[in-house]
This record gives sequence, structure tokens and C-alpha cells, in this order.
Amino acid sequence: QSALTQPASVSGSPGQSITISCTGTSSDVGVYNFVSWYQHHPGKAPKLMIYDVNNRPSGVSNRFSGSKSGNTASLTISGLQAEDEGDYYCSSYTTSSTAVFGGGTKLTVL
Amino acid sequence: EVQLLESGGGSGQPGESLRLSCVASGLTFSSYAMSWVRQAPGKGLEWVSGISGHGGTTWYGDSVKGRFTFSRDNSKNTVHLQMNSLRVEDTAVYYCATGVRYFDYWGQGILVTVSS
Repeated sequence: QSALTQPASVSGSPGQSITISCTGTSSDVGVYNFVSWYQHHPGKAPKLMIYDVNNRPSGVSNRFSGSKSGNTASLTISGLQAEDEGDYYCSSYTTSSTAVFGGGTKLTVL
Repeated sequence: EVQLLESGGGSGQPGESLRLSCVASGLTFSSYAMSWVRQAPGKGLEWVSGISGHGGTTWYGDSVKGRFTFSRDNSKNTVHLQMNSLRVEDTAVYYCATGVRYFDYWGQGILVTVSS
């Protein structure tokens, strides 16, 4: 299965909002509401930020939100903070009962 | 507190085998499907394999199908990934994670290096 498509990098200033897109197909993002997002800092375990398109796990800031339209999902981070810097990955469950990740997006807080 | 601890990583040559293990604590283990996710050097995350809570169903990514086998022992809160016919491109940090639809808990990862 092919990886989901994410922009390689995004950036924003503290306090601003940014959105990261994640484009899949009708076999993954487009067919299920099983899109999730992860924050990953090098050398650490990835952290679940959003699951099932727009649900936040306990402890994740409400500055993080998710949405989906057709084959494209999005992660929005509002009120950008320095600690938000890192790599972000989307993932989707697929019609093959497997999972697929996006290529990752490096977020830089200017 | 949920903890996942991987072990068994290391180095091997192409064609050889390695076995990874992951022991879980702080959760009702048999209620969770489990997955392995890897990250090759300089690359993104790649889902490798998943297993159902009871262990009766497994799923594999195309890049490892037929070479890797995922199993679990619910009496020991442990999962295993048997990696056969290793390739250079299997070099990665391997993470154990709960779930298949989404991954809520992760281990710290373990390095597997395949080189001649």
C-alpha cells in the first residue's frame, strides 16, 4: 500500500495556527473515519494526538484538532507554541485491515 | 501506567533471522490488538504488522509479508516478531504499539541493523 501524502514541512510563528494535510485514497482515508495523528520527537516514542479523525486522547491540548473531507484529512494546531515543534505523522486504517502512515511533516516554530 | 518494553534487537546479515519481543504492563493485555511500527534511518514511520487481541488474526505490510511472523502470549503479556530472510532495508528502529486502527501506547523502540 502507498504511503499517505503529507507536506514535507510547515512553519509558523508562536500564537499562529497551522494546518497539515494528509491525502489518501478511497481505500483508506476516504472510506473510514479511522485517521490518527502522531507527534514524534527524534529518539522518543511517537505520541498519539488525534484518533478517529477528530478525537483527542486525555491529556492532549485542545489546541490540536482534526478534520476530514473526502480523501484528505487535516491536523490543525492553534496558538502555536515552541513545544509543538517536531515531526507529525498521519495514519489511516485501510480496507485491507492494515494501517498506513503518511511520509511525515516537519513542523518548525519560528 | 501503561508501559511497553521492546527487546531482542541487534545486528544481522542479509538472509539471517532476528526475533523481537515486547512485554506490556499496566493494561488488560488481551483486550488490545498490537502492532509493530518501524522507522528506517532518515525515513518516516511504517506500519509493519498487527495482531488481534486473542492472537488468532494477523496482518502484515507488503514489505514484510511472507518473511515476518507476529505472535503473542497473553499469559505473559508479550508479543513477538519473528523476522526471517532479513534485508538491508529492514534496518530500522522498531516500535511496539497498542492497537491497529490507531496506536495509543508506544514503546521506546529498539534498533535492528541488517548489513553485510
